[in-house]
Amino acid sequence: DIVLTQSPALAVSLGQRATISCKTNQNVDYYGNSYMHWYQQKPGQQPKLLIYLASNLASGIPARFSGRGSGTDFTLTIDPVEADDTATYYCQQSRNLPWTFGGGTKLELK
Amino acid sequence: EVQLVESGGGLVQPGRSLKLSCAASGFTFSDYNMAWVRQAPKKGLEWVATISYDGSSTYYRDSVKGRFTISRDNAKSTLYLQMDSLRSEDTATYYCARHHTTYFDYWGQGVMVTVSS
Repeated sequence: DIVLTQSPALAVSLGQRATISCKTNQNVDYYGNSYMHWYQQKPGQQPKLLIYLASNLASGIPARFSGRGSGTDFTLTIDPVEADDTATYYCQQSRNLPWTFGGGTKLELK
Repeated sequence: EVQLVESGGGLVQPGRSLKLSCAASGFTFSDYNMAWVRQAPKKGLEWVATISYDGSSTYYRDSVKGRFTISRDNAKSTLYLQMDSLRSEDTATYYCARHHTTYFDYWGQGVMVTVSS
């Protein structure tokens, strides 16, 4: 299985930039695409797709969110951070079965 | 508006069975692969199973193979998860999700399954 590693938590100030990382133990690139996706989950709610294929913004997601990376190293950036962004963020790979998620990064405000 | 509404969860004893349903609306159900993803209490997300748009192909994580069966009724726009021989480690919130090629683009609100004696 492909293992995705995320830092458990990150604290940032309102209006600053938050950078959340996700590292995989295998390359998730294939034929020019990086099969890495990002989700946001607020307490008591279902996950919401933010970014697909490493850098594509999902429908209805504000441009404050962006994703980049390739191979085994990926980042989700929120700039600027707003109060409503407090949540847990998960990365997910779809290069190989089983599709796997990172452990999640809880974003908190300082 | 895409809507996915799960039902069928509850408390069940180890070794027993439970069947989850997910009613879909707001899109052409028969055009999309569908999936179940679960989340144990205070834990992360775990993909469980996926079924192709026409039901011809199914995929499972190893820990549920032979115990869980994913199926769909395109005429009713409904996804199912039959869970047999349930174990305590299957306790989780189960989410129905639209599996858009390689990512999960819409999720239901989830249904809780508790396996305990």
